[in-house]
Amino acid sequence: AQSVTQLGSHVSVSEGALVLLRCNYSSSVPPYLFWYVQYPNQGLQLLLKYTTGATLVKGINGFEAEFKKSETSFHLTKPSAHMSDAAEYFCAVSRGYQKVTFGIGTKLQVIP
Amino acid sequence: GAGVSQSPSNKVTEKGKDVELRCDPISGHTALYWYRQRLGQGLEFLIYFQGNSAPDKSGLPSDRFSAERTGESVSTLTIQRTQQEDSAVYLCASSSSSGQGNSPLHFGNGTRLTVT
Repeated sequence: AQSVTQLGSHVSVSEGALVLLRCNYSSSVPPYLFWYVQYPNQGLQLLLKYTTGATLVKGINGFEAEFKKSETSFHLTKPSAHMSDAAEYFCAVSRGYQKVTFGIGTKLQVIP
Repeated sequence: GAGVSQSPSNKVTEKGKDVELRCDPISGHTALYWYRQRLGQGLEFLIYFQGNSAPDKSGLPSDRFSAERTGESVSTLTIQRTQQEDSAVYLCASSSSSGQGNSPLHFGNGTRLTVT
């Protein structure tokens, strides 16, 4: 079985500050990991994914995430928050034909 | 079409009526998911179709909910005898999963269901 834990359902940062959204996973086999973003009143879109290879992956809008097997983590970061980053972020894990499992989501608020 | 298409985009229905929501996945995508998202809440998994395998219905909240998929194409989610608690956005997603699970999900814009 696989599961995802997102620490912090709400995160607030100041504009220009570091964004760090935490995601830990549980999987009996090496997982594939994803971050999705949902902007207000929009559908979900892929932000970035880790499948194999380099453990630091870069996504759209300056976001990146690092797969750390020893910590079973896949935290999402961005060096400098922008007002347009205000959205809800979902971490997800999958492997094989198992259904994709999503975390509960983290709402990011950016304070001017 | 280039993306996942859901219809209708909005549906208002009276309590007790049945509703049918439609999802057209991206052509060739073998995996299809339905999720429910209540106002201010995260994604609630409902059902998962993968190719010709039996669907994973473990997320359906009650026997009022059912879903079908024709081959690897259109899917319909049916809610019978709707209740006000069913009001939510229903999201469909598809994936070109090859069985490895490394393909991302492509989401539709959802159907906003309001039960009055």
